[in-house]
Amino acid sequence: RKEVEQDPGPFNVPEGATVAFNCTYSNSASQSFFWYRQDCRKEPKLLMSVYSSGNEDGRFTAQLNRASQYISLLIRDSKLSDSATYLCVGWGGATNKLIFGTGTLLAVQP
Amino acid sequence: EAGVTQFPSHSVIEKGQTVTLRCDPISGHDNLYWYRRVMGKEIKFLLHFVKESKQDESGMPNNRFLAERTGGTYSTLKVQPAELEDSGVYFCASSQETSPPSLPEGTQYFGPGTRLLVL
Repeated sequence: RKEVEQDPGPFNVPEGATVAFNCTYSNSASQSFFWYRQDCRKEPKLLMSVYSSGNEDGRFTAQLNRASQYISLLIRDSKLSDSATYLCVGWGGATNKLIFGTGTLLAVQP
Repeated sequence: EAGVTQFPSHSVIEKGQTVTLRCDPISGHDNLYWYRRVMGKEIKFLLHFVKESKQDESGMPNNRFLAERTGGTYSTLKVQPAELEDSGVYFCASSQETSPPSLPEGTQYFGPGTRLLVL
């Protein structure tokens, strides 16, 4: 079983829609979690950290549920520029390595 | 400030040949990481340097892969001999400190990657 699992998508949504991505993790995966964004043929870039108390940054909200080992990312009022692959990522703590999910592809349509 | 740079951006080689990838981290970043993404799979950790020392090389697939970071500045990743399954995108990342990425000093900044195709 993969340490971090995501629905690969693609998610095709119209501009202005609200879209939610989910991710689950195994016990061994991580202490901390993050959402990264990767544009086509580019490098991954940190989007936001994920906390149990929730974390909101503008149109983006991330949530961590440790009891269910579940992580979510909500994007409100989708823009064309939000089209990208969204990577659910754990941080290995003592090992300091990032543990990536396969990513979820989002395509926002005009 | 310059970001993480990688060279070459693309490499096409034949099975059995040798390829050397280079990564220049952000200036002042002691921590350097190699990751790779093979077709259809997730990005996976290969190894982690702190300055010139290998902190963790648990992700290195086999002894055909050799990473070095002499002098604690840039790093090279050599694949010798290359096999078909080595094809993928090799990312380098660097961070200032060995800290959670939620902290600014722990954020791992990625380079653009080297796309390797082994024929």
